[in-house]
Amino acid sequence: QKEVEQDPGPLSVPEGAIVSLNCTYSNSAFQYFMWYRQYSRKGPELLMYTYSSGNKEDGRFTAQVDKSSKYISLFIRDSQPSDSATYLCAMIFPSGGSYIPTFGRGTSLIVHP
Amino acid sequence: NAGVTQTPKFQVLKTGQSMTLQCAQDMNHEYMSWYRQDPGMGLRLIHYSVGAGITDQGEVPNGYNVSRSTTEDFPLRLLSAAPSQTSVYFCASSSQGGGKPQHFGDGTRLSIL
Repeated sequence: QKEVEQDPGPLSVPEGAIVSLNCTYSNSAFQYFMWYRQYSRKGPELLMYTYSSGNKEDGRFTAQVDKSSKYISLFIRDSQPSDSATYLCAMIFPSGGSYIPTFGRGTSLIVHP
Repeated sequence: NAGVTQTPKFQVLKTGQSMTLQCAQDMNHEYMSWYRQDPGMGLRLIHYSVGAGITDQGEVPNGYNVSRSTTEDFPLRLLSAAPSQTSVYFCASSSQGGGKPQHFGDGTRLSIL
């Protein structure tokens, strides 16, 4: 079983919708949680990161972490066609001085006008 | 600001050939790392460096070498290319500790025949 599970989608929504992207994980030692956006043929772009349970907001994006359920979410409000991309979750737990991120497979999001 | 620059963008090699993927950043970031991205799998860490002269292995280091002689450059060497190394390779840098990659290059698409 992969440590980080993420539904590959695609998830198709109309413009203006609220989007919910999710990841589950099995290792309770994960401490840092990140979300990246990746456009086709481009490198990932860090959107948000957090290390605690609860919500973190940045503009139209809200990252939510529920450590008790081992579940993280990224919400996008007022979605735009320019949000169409693949969204990657990633997690880190410190181990012997090393910090090796574990990434999900990514969810493809399509926002249609 | 160029950010993270990777060269070449595309490369085709024959099995057994060696080559170096170049990565340079102009943000004076101490932390740099190399990932590979394969279809249906998340990004996987190959090697990373926390500063000039210091490198360490990631999740999938076999078949790859790195060195870090300057803060700006972090080349990845394939010693003897194998078809299993066909992938998209991303270099990343970060000003933050804890292994959270902030800035990615746009990748090198490598095919091994």
